Amino acid sequence: SQTIHQWPATLVQPVGSPLSLECTVEGTSNPNLYWYRQAAGRGLQLLFYSVGIGQISSEVPQNLSASRPQDRQFILSSKKLLLSDSGFYLCAYTGLAGGHTYNEQFFGPGTRLTVL
Amino acid sequence: AQKVTQAQTEISVVEKEDVTLDCVYETRDTTYYLFWYKQPPSGELVFLIRRNSFDEQNEISGRYSWNFQKSTSSFNFTITASQVVDSAVYFCALSEGLSNDYKLSFGAGTTVTVRA
Repeated sequence: SQTIHQWPATLVQPVGSPLSLECTVEGTSNPNLYWYRQAAGRGLQLLFYSVGIGQISSEVPQNLSASRPQDRQFILSSKKLLLSDSGFYLCAYTGLAGGHTYNEQFFGPGTRLTVL
Repeated sequence: AQKVTQAQTEISVVEKEDVTLDCVYETRDTTYYLFWYKQPPSGELVFLIRRNSFDEQNEISGRYSWNFQKSTSSFNFTITASQVVDSAVYFCALSEGLSNDYKLSFGAGTTVTVRA
């Protein structure tokens, strides 16, 4: 079965500090991977997506970057956090089953980031 | 322009009442997909249903039902005999065309509160 993991679950960081959030997927190969941010009480904002290793598309110019060093690993980073980076970060993937890619996205448990 | 509109910000009902969540979408593509997701207080988004543009059959799954009407560009979601566990934020989403990025455009979400 397919599963998705994110860590850490919660994070409190000072302004100006670096950030690294990790997302891994199991049970599928060559998934599309996505990073979303959700500000408190708001909707979902797509930050980055990747259709393959080393392929990153950015949706919103910002203080963050993403990388995909392995097929099922997606990393969200920042060199210097801003207060506005606080939020709930969700990773998602599209799954492959029986040779068919399903375009519904499945989400991880999320990382709650607070920048102080 | 907003591709997915969920006009209802919040809905509050008493247990056992029915609740209908509205979703109106906008696209020029003839092939597209519509989704509903549930976000309980824990934060993780749970996939509920996918509908493609060529399948206008309504669907029922337990207490959940979905009404897809291309003529009005709507994909509404009804919870019958609501329960406290249905309290969550519900998101409608759209994936357009045949691109392999499978990006989703989310609505702003509707917060459903079911009171005992």
